[in-house]
Amino acid sequence: NAGVTQTPKFQVLKTGQSMTLQCAQDMNHNSMYWYRQDPGMGLRLIYYSASEGTTDKGEVPNGYNVSRLNKREFSLRLESAAPSQTSVYFCASRTSGSAGEQYFGPGTRLTVT
Amino acid sequence: AQKITQTQPGMFVQEKEAVTLDCTYDTSDPSYGLFWYKQPSSGEMIFLIYQGSYDQQNATEGRYSLNFQKARKSANLVISASQLGDSAMYFCAMRDYAGGTSYGKLTFGQGTILTVHP
Repeated sequence: NAGVTQTPKFQVLKTGQSMTLQCAQDMNHNSMYWYRQDPGMGLRLIYYSASEGTTDKGEVPNGYNVSRLNKREFSLRLESAAPSQTSVYFCASRTSGSAGEQYFGPGTRLTVT
Repeated sequence: AQKITQTQPGMFVQEKEAVTLDCTYDTSDPSYGLFWYKQPSSGEMIFLIYQGSYDQQNATEGRYSLNFQKARKSANLVISASQLGDSAMYFCAMRDYAGGTSYGKLTFGQGTILTVHP
């Protein structure tokens, strides 16, 4: 049981390049999320998927797209990377129940030069 | 819109002592949940404790307890008997149910860096 996995762990892009961050969970969770973490800003929600086949915008969706490929996988795509997208990206999935805490992946550190 | 405020950028505590990390929140929804996460220097996010807005008692998990004061809209984390391994960033987060749905979305505070001295 690996939990939430993310690839890659580190990535350097040039401005204008594109890339896809991959996320997978093996806990049979319905809901999945993408956050970004910037220094002094806490984590901010980019996109989420309440269930397979649905996606919706979070607080900071501009410059990103997502795909919920199946119940396990939720990918985040940067079509044309900008230096403002330099950040640490976390994927998470959520347990069911009243608490329903989110389990986070290890993060992807992205630098855009 | 919901908001989480952590006013302590950094806190210091002596090993084996207790420490309180502050968190205040703002929401107009009567139904919400409050979470604390720990982020060590290695970067992963670790769930610590949860408090529901209708829970009558303060949540506890081992050395962690949540001092929930609903009228003051505060949800402070108390760590008892601090250990060196408690040195980390701590985030308070809230999930509310505005409009009857939340889909589990969390709003995070800016975090507090805790340093435990030997």
